[in-house]
Amino acid sequence: GAVVSQHPSRVICKSGTSVKIECRSLDFQATTMFWYRQFPKQSLMLMATSNEGSKATYEQGVEKDKFLINHASLTLSTLTVTSAHPEDSSFYICSARIGGQGNLAFGSGTRLTVV
Amino acid sequence: GENVEQHPSTLSVQEGDSAVIKCTYSDSASNYFPWYKQELGKGPQLIIDIRSNVGEKKDQRIAVTLNKTAKHFSLHITETQPEDSAVYFCAASIGTSGTYKYIFGTGTRLKVLA
Repeated sequence: GAVVSQHPSRVICKSGTSVKIECRSLDFQATTMFWYRQFPKQSLMLMATSNEGSKATYEQGVEKDKFLINHASLTLSTLTVTSAHPEDSSFYICSARIGGQGNLAFGSGTRLTVV
Repeated sequence: GENVEQHPSTLSVQEGDSAVIKCTYSDSASNYFPWYKQELGKGPQLIIDIRSNVGEKKDQRIAVTLNKTAKHFSLHITETQPEDSAVYFCAASIGTSGTYKYIFGTGTRLKVLA
């Protein structure tokens, strides 16, 4: 149980375009999801906390107008990278909190390459 | 701010030997400490976790110990196998129910040599 599906797994886009990444909890409801960014050989850096039905909470230094988060249902959160630039190229990972225990289930990640 | 330090950054062991990874956290209110295994190009997978009311937890070849006083927790893998090779991350919870989130360690790249 507790499966999180993330799509797409890889995406290449041109500079200036927008890319949407989806994170779905398949067999449980997730009121809270988290979005991370991971550079090669580095740790997961929390970008924002996504709460169903309310605005996301962004970490310091993360541009909320560039990284748009929508959590419109209990099973889906989306991250849209707007006006992407090469420096936005990274591995983006979502996770969902399972119940009230704090355990997280992670998606398989999205490799974004902006050319 | 809150942080989690993790050591070593890389670790090579012979197949069959044990591997130990250590983490130190800064927030004394942290009460949940998961360990994740991440293979190349994939998302992290939970392998074991421990809560602050427990000092040790074991699941087959994997164990985690927690010293709340020292704010240390460690991952122990015994009888290592080549498939244990991956990057391992520790994490510590921070915040209350409305702001609850995890701080991750910097990761340990484990190589098990056959």
